[in-house]
Amino acid sequence: GNSVTQMEGPVTLSEEAFLTINCTYTATGYPSLFWYVQYPGEGLQLLLKATKADDKGSNKGFEATYRKETTSFHLEKGSVQVSDSAVYFCALSVIQGAQKLVFGQGTRLTINP
Amino acid sequence: SAVISQKPSRDICQRGTSLTIQCQVDSQVTMMFWYRQQPGQSLTLIATANQGSEATYESGFVIDKFPISRPNLTFSTLTVSNMSPEDSSIYLCSGGGQGAQGYGYTFGSGTRLTVV
Repeated sequence: GNSVTQMEGPVTLSEEAFLTINCTYTATGYPSLFWYVQYPGEGLQLLLKATKADDKGSNKGFEATYRKETTSFHLEKGSVQVSDSAVYFCALSVIQGAQKLVFGQGTRLTINP
Repeated sequence: SAVISQKPSRDICQRGTSLTIQCQVDSQVTMMFWYRQQPGQSLTLIATANQGSEATYESGFVIDKFPISRPNLTFSTLTVSNMSPEDSSIYLCSGGGQGAQGYGYTFGSGTRLTVV
């Protein structure tokens, strides 16, 4: 089956620290990979995506590279800000007639000033 | 990408009652989905809302409990029926896609439901 495993949280960092949130997946077929962010009290927003091996998705200073050989899609940011505090979800979709998203468990990130 | 308006944003309901959640998309979208996010947990897909036909439910979810309508390509509703405290969750709708793999779906802002 299809599944996503994320680094367990919560993660607490100081402002300007380097961030990595690990994400690995199992999938039948060739998935597309996504990172979504959920700010407090809000719905999910697409942060970045990648559709094929070695693609790098990037947005707002975040980036993640689709690694087929290690089935991973780790999220990174070089210098985090307090405003990056949120819950981050890794997800995949595999075309099987309906592009349903399978989510990881989410990682809560808190950035302290 | 599409913008989805979801309402209500939150509600507190008595057990045994039902609540209907609406999602309005600002453009026609091929696919719409309904998810549940239980407290502190990830999102679980409830069903795919199909335009003009019955929704397709995931394992563990049934139409009698979560009836869904999708009368056109811009609107869908989810009803949580005969509610119990275990139904307290955030419910989110999602839409998008034109059949191209990798299309990122847009989400509504969610409905935070508390059943007392």
